[in-house]
Amino acid sequence: DAKTTQPPSMDCAEGRAANLPCNHSTISGNEYVYWYRQIHSQGPQYIIHGLKNNETNEMASLIITEDRKSSTLILPHATLRDTAVYYCIVYSTDSSYKLIFGSGTRLLVRP
Amino acid sequence: EAGVAQSPRYKIIEKRQSVAFWCNPISGHATLYWYQQILGQGPKLLIQFQNNGVVDDSQLPKDRFSAERLKGVDSTLKIQPAKLEDSAVYLCASSSRAASSYEQYFGPGTRLTVT
Repeated sequence: DAKTTQPPSMDCAEGRAANLPCNHSTISGNEYVYWYRQIHSQGPQYIIHGLKNNETNEMASLIITEDRKSSTLILPHATLRDTAVYYCIVYSTDSSYKLIFGSGTRLLVRP
Repeated sequence: EAGVAQSPRYKIIEKRQSVAFWCNPISGHATLYWYQQILGQGPKLLIQFQNNGVVDDSQLPKDRFSAERLKGVDSTLKIQPAKLEDSAVYLCASSSRAASSYEQYFGPGTRLTVT
């Protein structure tokens, strides 16, 4: 079973920041938080990952709380192309590099 | 760099027929995964290969599903005989443990409809 909880759907206006929350209260010390997204009719696409520190790349920022029990994926200036299902996944290199997907958050970016 | 290739993109078959899907991973990626994604759900791992050996096939319905990865490159996933509940998108992904992030790269998937 997935070890994360995400809201089933969210929306935001184009050009505004999209903040997608994820709860992973049972995360253990050697587990990473990974985010993937899946645009309609495509395979999932890696976005970002982190262990304890906040991370930023060209696609998004990842904010992990100090107790590591929750995180937020931030798309700073959402565009219509960011409409997708976003998956937050807790991932351990001890688990044979296996991703366990939940149902994700369906993000709709409105014009 | 070429991505993960899958074929066919779409397949419609009748129940009890057989079907096979093909995947060509990113060059040099030792790990290959097959996932099943039922409409409205996240992908579920069916089988994981490391080179040509199976690492995890605990979720593969072995009475009807089989997969192979000869020579540690291309892979095929077969369903025989198909059931209505096998209607789903079958995704192939690959990864390189040489990469620090262990991210998986997914192909576009094969959409299977069983009637």
